Amino acid sequence: NAGVTQTPKFQVLKTGQSMTLQCAQDMNHNSMYWYRQDPGMGLRLIYYSASEGTTDKGEVPNGYNVSRLNKREFSLRLESAAPSQTSVYFCASRRAGGFEKLFFGSGTQLSVL
Amino acid sequence: EDQVTQSPEALRLQEGESSSLNCSYTVSGLRGLFWYRQDPGKGPEFLFTLYSAGEEKEKERLKATLTKKESFLHITAPKPEDSATYLCAVGMDSSYKLIFGSGTRLLVRP
Repeated sequence: NAGVTQTPKFQVLKTGQSMTLQCAQDMNHNSMYWYRQDPGMGLRLIYYSASEGTTDKGEVPNGYNVSRLNKREFSLRLESAAPSQTSVYFCASRRAGGFEKLFFGSGTQLSVL
Repeated sequence: EDQVTQSPEALRLQEGESSSLNCSYTVSGLRGLFWYRQDPGKGPEFLFTLYSAGEEKEKERLKATLTKKESFLHITAPKPEDSATYLCAVGMDSSYKLIFGSGTRLLVRP
């Protein structure tokens, strides 16, 4: 039972480069999320998808785009990476909203030089 | 503004020394308060959900409680393996968002 799978685990980019972080869940969850985690700031929501076919901005969406490819997959794209995007990125999913708990992937550590 | 604040930022305990972590919140329409444990280099792992004031939940040495303004995570007789960062998060009415606190880093020394 894989749960939430994120790739890659580590990535180093140069300023201006682009990349896509991949996330897939095998729990048939409707909602999926992208968070970034920075020291002392906790987890901040970048984008979320309440259900297949919908996406919404979170707290810190600037510089990112997302695609809910299907019910299982939710990708995060950095079009032109900046040093301020150096962070640990977590994908998460849950069955619905409100009372439901989140299941997290193991994270992607991204450094932008 | 919706906000979640955790204290202390860091806590060092001796093995067996009980203590409490605090999570205070100001949100409109609380639907659930969640506690997560995060080990270094890993994603957060779910511990508890609390739905209404007065509710309590327990798991091994951990006990979570909820009031209308805050939640406590009580750790009784902790062991070194309880060392981790503990995160709380709140879910709100008609929203798919969760707001996380910045966490409490717990270190339990043998």
